Amino acid sequence: DGGITQSPKYLFRKEGQNVTLSCEQNLNHDAMYWYRQDPGQGLRLIYYSQIVNDFQKGDIAEGYSVSREKKESFPLTVTSAQKNPTAFYLCASQTGGDAYGYTFGSGTRLTVV
Amino acid sequence: AQSVTQPDIHITVSEGASLELRCNYSYGATPYLFWYVQSPGQGLQLLLKYFSGDTLVQGIKGFEAEFKRSQSSFNLRKPSVHWSDAAEYFCAAGGGGGADGLTFGKGTHLIIQP
Repeated sequence: DGGITQSPKYLFRKEGQNVTLSCEQNLNHDAMYWYRQDPGQGLRLIYYSQIVNDFQKGDIAEGYSVSREKKESFPLTVTSAQKNPTAFYLCASQTGGDAYGYTFGSGTRLTVV
Repeated sequence: AQSVTQPDIHITVSEGASLELRCNYSYGATPYLFWYVQSPGQGLQLLLKYFSGDTLVQGIKGFEAEFKRSQSSFNLRKPSVHWSDAAEYFCAAGGGGGADGLTFGKGTHLIIQP
């Protein structure tokens, strides 16, 4: 079955460390997205990529980085510059433009210890 | 600026009762509109979407939503809720034909009373 796989489901990070969250899709979707979810805040866009080797900053890109070397993969790195990284991170993909909505992964919960 | 507002943070409904979750949007033109549902610790699942045409759209799990241009609203309804409907519900909007991301509301937490 096609879908989006995020790993790991839970991730713990020490302050000052970089961590990378994985997002893989086998839906042949062109566009991929990373959202951050905090309680009571809804979803906020971190980065998105409409095609391979190209990506754009979203509303809260500071302290994050991404790459899009393959159509199937869109990893997110949470750097030490991100002041408050503890959150639930959701990856999504779609094809055909915003009109079609997203397919979401099941998320990664990152906790800074 | 584009925005989506869900006025109700929490809603409590008795099992078997009807449900309406409110959503208002602010966009330059009529956006594409969506409702998603999220169970705890999970991703979001698409319930329904509106592009154009008939303003009453049907979705999965017995949900429907009505687009009202004059009120800039896209409220979600269900005639009779089940305990399994307890979840977080998000309204979202996107504009044009691009793929530069959806704008989400902050969500409404639905609690079902037995």
